Amino acid sequence: TQLLEQSPQFLSIQEGENLTVYCNSSSVFSSLQWYRQEPGEGPVLLVTVVTGGEVKKLKRLTFQFGDARKDSSLHITAAQPGDTGLYLCASFGSNYKLTFGKGTLLTVNP
Amino acid sequence: SQTIHQWPATLVQPVGSPLSLECTVEGTSNPNLYWYRQAAGRGLQLLFYSVGIGQISSEVPQNLSASRPQDRQFILSSKKLLLSDSGFYLCALRGNTEAFFGQGTRLTVV
Repeated sequence: TQLLEQSPQFLSIQEGENLTVYCNSSSVFSSLQWYRQEPGEGPVLLVTVVTGGEVKKLKRLTFQFGDARKDSSLHITAAQPGDTGLYLCASFGSNYKLTFGKGTLLTVNP
Repeated sequence: SQTIHQWPATLVQPVGSPLSLECTVEGTSNPNLYWYRQAAGRGLQLLFYSVGIGQISSEVPQNLSASRPQDRQFILSSKKLLLSDSGFYLCALRGNTEAFFGQGTRLTVV
């Protein structure tokens, strides 16, 4: 079973600050997804990265996939209170399992 | 487009009572389906997944079971609930490269 390690587990910052969260594995990812979840709701997909070295941008969010496809990062520029939530990375294994990291709980204070 | 329905949204059940959570999907056939449980502010623990009718893979031995009686129906059950079964339960459907989630069921065992 592929294990996904996310860091940090908790992050509390002020509005306007930048932040980066990380997702790492000892195994190679076939692809990796980042989700954002708000309390009481299901996770919602932000992005899927597939190619080693790939960089994708979604407004103030920048997603990077490591060259060896064993790690990924999510960078948020000028965080806003609306960015508050649980950020999860996930990957499908070869046996159809979808495994999630433990998440980074982000709080952006006004 | 694919949609996933999960109910009820909240449930309070006494210890020792049975449980049945239902998940149905639309807009796709022969989907891969998943049940997850989530503790507050933490990642998703995979409980069961199914690649077809009657095919169930169990990830964690515990007081729960799953069934897939129809192609687009996935049911999570328990004969006797424990306090430790409390949590947020999510049903998910595999898309091309990502998962789509239901709205979740908040189960409180009292």
